[in-house]
Amino acid sequence: DTEVTQTPKHLVMGMTNKKSLKCEQHMGHRAMYWYKQKAKKPPELMFVYSYEKLSINESVPSRFSPECPNSSLLNLHLHALQPEDSALYLCASSPVPSYEQYFGPGTRLTVT
Amino acid sequence: AQKVTQAQTEISVVEKEDVTLDCVYETRDTTYYLFWYKQPPSGELVFLIRRNSFDEQNEISGRYSWNFQKSTSSFNFTITASQVVDSAVYFCALSQPQGGSEKLVFGKGTKLTVNP
Repeated sequence: DTEVTQTPKHLVMGMTNKKSLKCEQHMGHRAMYWYKQKAKKPPELMFVYSYEKLSINESVPSRFSPECPNSSLLNLHLHALQPEDSALYLCASSPVPSYEQYFGPGTRLTVT
Repeated sequence: AQKVTQAQTEISVVEKEDVTLDCVYETRDTTYYLFWYKQPPSGELVFLIRRNSFDEQNEISGRYSWNFQKSTSSFNFTITASQVVDSAVYFCALSQPQGGSEKLVFGKGTKLTVNP
């Protein structure tokens, strides 16, 4: 089973709201990733968790806050977002870093 | 720095035609991994293949085949007898070690449209 699930599928939030995106995998993968993808662009890496520790933060603004409660779960907490943060947010996991990443279906976020 | 170039922005073919998507990469690492992903209109990226730098054997999987040539730093992807369901954006990617972990460096993608 190579499934990564993400909730919600769609999210509309105001600039003063606080919301969270959730990602889950039950493949025993030890690396998990958050990406942001704008229309007609490749995914941009935001964060990497390796063995439940944050190993890469691509200078993402602090209004995005990742959390890895356990090896199966990855959250992305959102606060005081800007309209330009509207995008498709993709979660991925891999058995270990450098192996292929399996992506979830994404959360389409709109900030109003 | 690592870089992946997919020079073809968009390709349009008629069903049953063969099509090749080009990927050229730059890296100073001697050990690296190359990947192809497919992103259909639904949005989910689908893993297609991973190739390590020491394995230059070409690979075939059904209608898909990949040609890896270190001498030209290329990792091209061919779809034989294309079908409408192959319509998608295809990304080539290169692994880059960073901070004790790895990140993917993606090309800009090639949008393939297969017309009936």
